[in-house]
Amino acid sequence: ETGVTQSPTHLIKTRGQQVTLRCSSQSGHNTVSWYQQALGQGPQFIFQYYREEENGRGNFPPRFSGLQFPNYSSELNVNALELDDSALYLCASSQQGFNTEAFFGQGTRLTVV
Amino acid sequence: GQNIDQPTEMTATEGAIVQINCTYQTSGFNGLFWYQQHAGEAPTFLSYNVLDGLEEKGRFSSFLSRSKGYSYLLLKELQMKDSASYLCAVRDARGDNYGQNFVFGPGTRLSVLP
Repeated sequence: ETGVTQSPTHLIKTRGQQVTLRCSSQSGHNTVSWYQQALGQGPQFIFQYYREEENGRGNFPPRFSGLQFPNYSSELNVNALELDDSALYLCASSQQGFNTEAFFGQGTRLTVV
Repeated sequence: GQNIDQPTEMTATEGAIVQINCTYQTSGFNGLFWYQQHAGEAPTFLSYNVLDGLEEKGRFSSFLSRSKGYSYLLLKELQMKDSASYLCAVRDARGDNYGQNFVFGPGTRLSVLP
C-alpha cells in the first residue's frame, strides 16, 4: 500500500451532474496531482496542487477544478458531467524535489450515464 | 508537443526475459519513470532514470538514452504475477518547481503464459 487513499472507490452519476472526489496524501507529502485514465489508456494529467495552489494544469476544461487543504489532502471537482468523463481518476502524492517519485492511490472509478 | 510511444501488447513465457521499449518526444524532461499497473488497481512505481544508462532493481532493469529519447524496461525470470500493464512516463520539467506532473504513454499490456 502507498498510503494514498481515495474516496469513493466507485461512483455513478448522471450526465449534467457535479461530482467531488477526495484524496488523502501520504504522510510527509506536500504535492498532489490528479490524473484521468480512460479504459485501455495511460493516465492523463489534469492538474497539480502544491501548498494549496494549483501550479500546473493539463489539457482539461475549467469545469475540472480542485482544492488542496492545509493537511495536503485534495479534492477534484467536475461540473456538468459528460459521458466521456467516465474513467478512473487517480490521485498521486509526492514531496517537492528533484529525485522524488509519486505514489498513486487506488483510484475512483466514475461512471457517467 | 508531448508524445510517448510503447507497444500496446506483448506476450512472453514464464521464466523468460522481456524488454518493453518506450520512445518519447516531450517539451521538458525531468526523469523517466516506469510503473506497473494491474487491472483495476493503482500504478505502482518500478524504476526511475534521470541520467543515461542502466538502473537495476532485482528482476527489473531500466535503461535510458536521453539523446535518442529512448528507454526500455527489462523484466527477467518472468512470473505469472508480472502479467500487467507497464506504463512509461516522462516527468515534466517545470523550472525550479520540480513539478510532479507526468506524461504517460498508453501502456504495454504484458501477458505471461505458462
